[in-house]
Amino acid sequence: GQNIDQPTEMTATEGAIVQINCTYQTSGFNGLFWYQQHAGEAPTFLSYNVLDGLEEKGRFSSFLSRSKGYSYLLLKELQMKDSASYLCATNQAGTALIFGKGTTLSVSS
Amino acid sequence: SAVISQKPSRDICQRGTSLTIQCQVDSQVTMMFWYRQQPGQSLTLIATANQGSEATYESGFVIDKFPISRPNLTFSTLTVSNMSPEDSSIYLCSVEGETTGNYGYTFGSGTRLTVV
Repeated sequence: GQNIDQPTEMTATEGAIVQINCTYQTSGFNGLFWYQQHAGEAPTFLSYNVLDGLEEKGRFSSFLSRSKGYSYLLLKELQMKDSASYLCATNQAGTALIFGKGTTLSVSS
Repeated sequence: SAVISQKPSRDICQRGTSLTIQCQVDSQVTMMFWYRQQPGQSLTLIATANQGSEATYESGFVIDKFPISRPNLTFSTLTVSNMSPEDSSIYLCSVEGETTGNYGYTFGSGTRLTVV
């Protein structure tokens, strides 16, 4: 089975940096995904890590440590539009994504 | 990455009735996935749909309640049967990305179902 844990809520201010952590326990690990979901919209793909280390994509970066079953999503230079839910997910090869409960991020001015 | 057209986008239904949700993909895909997202919750996998075989359901979901069709490699339907207010949720379909490392999994825009 798969178990994914992430904080329920986080708050931050515009321009700041926030790190959203995700721990997972899974059999047949095939990768760690991060999705962003604004209220009333479908999830959109942010990042995918399969090897240890940091992947940077503009203001967003994602880190993975397979030995620790740990990932984080780092958001820099926060903007109001970054207020959303951030979903951590894993899968086994060729199977569906299994999601954590999601972290609701609120960015204030 | 694949583009998914999902409909209806929303519906309000009477309890005891059924609603069929459709997803059309612009490319052929081996597997399609159906999720439920209850209010304020994350996504929960309902089932995996393969063309030419019966869908594989996750624990807590049964075929009689959520029958799925997968007649070809670009289309699938999910029916929510004998609905009750507890079925009020957003239902989403998804497909695996063309190149997992670059595109991830793509989601339809979702169907917001309200059962009254």
